[in-house]
Amino acid sequence: KAGVTQTPRYLIKTRGQQVTLSCSPISGHRSVSWYQQTPGQGLQFLFEYFSETQRNKGNFPGRFSGRQFSNSRSEMNVSTLELGDSALYLCASSSPGQSHSGANVLTFGAGSRLTVL
Amino acid sequence: GNSVTQMEGPVTLSEEAFLTINCTYTATGYPSLFWYVQYPGEGLQLLLKATKADDKGSNKGFEATYRKETTSFHLEKGSVQVSDSAVYFCALTSYNNNDMRFGAGTRLTVKP
Repeated sequence: KAGVTQTPRYLIKTRGQQVTLSCSPISGHRSVSWYQQTPGQGLQFLFEYFSETQRNKGNFPGRFSGRQFSNSRSEMNVSTLELGDSALYLCASSSPGQSHSGANVLTFGAGSRLTVL
Repeated sequence: GNSVTQMEGPVTLSEEAFLTINCTYTATGYPSLFWYVQYPGEGLQLLLKATKADDKGSNKGFEATYRKETTSFHLEKGSVQVSDSAVYFCALTSYNNNDMRFGAGTRLTVKP
């Protein structure tokens, strides 16, 4: 089956602009998580959505937001972009209960690489 | 809080050499442990996992054993190939929680 699809793959913005990134999870997966990857901070958890509700949130400012639609597709938005927002944004989907142990295996997309000038 | 400490890289090995990448963790309760791999220009791919103490995860010749007594989950491979060159991430989650905590990543380069 198709994997996690993220669009766009690459984009360039300038400071102060806003950006919206899209993620289509694996069919049947209802949970979508977002991560930011930078050389300095590594991989950091942004937020998780399940059934259109934000279930968990990392330690990022309010400029970072997201939402999930009824078909489980998710978007994240970053407003008032700063140079430090340049990063690879990774989306991952999972199916709660896919493992009897409760360990949710995350399947990642290829990411959206954002450059802020 | 939960955290993962991973061996600093980069690691450079010759083909067919033995690989160990150390990973230790701090967590409350009984976390699940993972190794993910990231090839250039791609997202993360699950390499292997273990969900309880003494479990051994294995895939593509890689192995890691969940050691609760030493809070470790070291990655090993007996004979690396050039195609194993990538960045490897150790990670953990708590039960039914997608706030996955990652180590800093270890870049592995395998030379012919």
